[in-house]
Amino acid sequence: AQSVTQPDIHITVSEGASLELRCNYSYGATPYLFWYVQSPGQGLQLLLKYFSGDTLVQGIKGFEAEFKRSQSSFNLRKPSVHWSDAAEYFCAVARNQAGTALIFGKGTTLSVSS
Amino acid sequence: DAGITQSPRHKVTETGTPVTLRCHQTENHRYMYWYRQDPGHGLRLIHYSYGVKDTDKGEVSDGYSVSRSKTEDFLLTLESATSSQTSVYFCAIRPDRPMNTEAFFGQGTRLTVV
Repeated sequence: AQSVTQPDIHITVSEGASLELRCNYSYGATPYLFWYVQSPGQGLQLLLKYFSGDTLVQGIKGFEAEFKRSQSSFNLRKPSVHWSDAAEYFCAVARNQAGTALIFGKGTTLSVSS
Repeated sequence: DAGITQSPRHKVTETGTPVTLRCHQTENHRYMYWYRQDPGHGLRLIHYSYGVKDTDKGEVSDGYSVSRSKTEDFLLTLESATSSQTSVYFCAIRPDRPMNTEAFFGQGTRLTVV
């Protein structure tokens, strides 16, 4: 079965500093990988996804993520964090078949300090 | 907007009472999912459906049942609500083409069992 680990429960970053959120997955083949963001009291919004090809994927709001097969990782990065990026971030994995359920990590809460 | 509507959005119920949450979609997608979100646990899959009358259990299905008699509606029932089922419940759909499509989420239902 697939699983996702987000090692950091809570991260605080200064505004303007760079950000990296970690995600490790467990799956036998190349999975589909996703990063979602959730602002307080809101639903989930997709930031980016990976399924094949170029291992560096660009997403919305200036985020990017890099798939590293050898490390079973899909870390999310942003070069310069804005106060509005404070939210909870979820990494998710799905089997590379149509319609399979996404399995989520426990999330990382990002706080941005001024 | 993936055309997903969850109802009710908020509900307070007493221990031992039955509760049904509804997820309605307007785009006739086959694949639908129910998750619950709890602090420190991320989103956990309760049940999912691959079509009318085709449902299966997820990671945390105990105490929950589902029904899908029409493509557009996926109902989640708590037969006898317990305080441990206090949570935020999210419905999601996932288009089956292309295969790598992400899941789209409703706005959530906040359920409190007292």
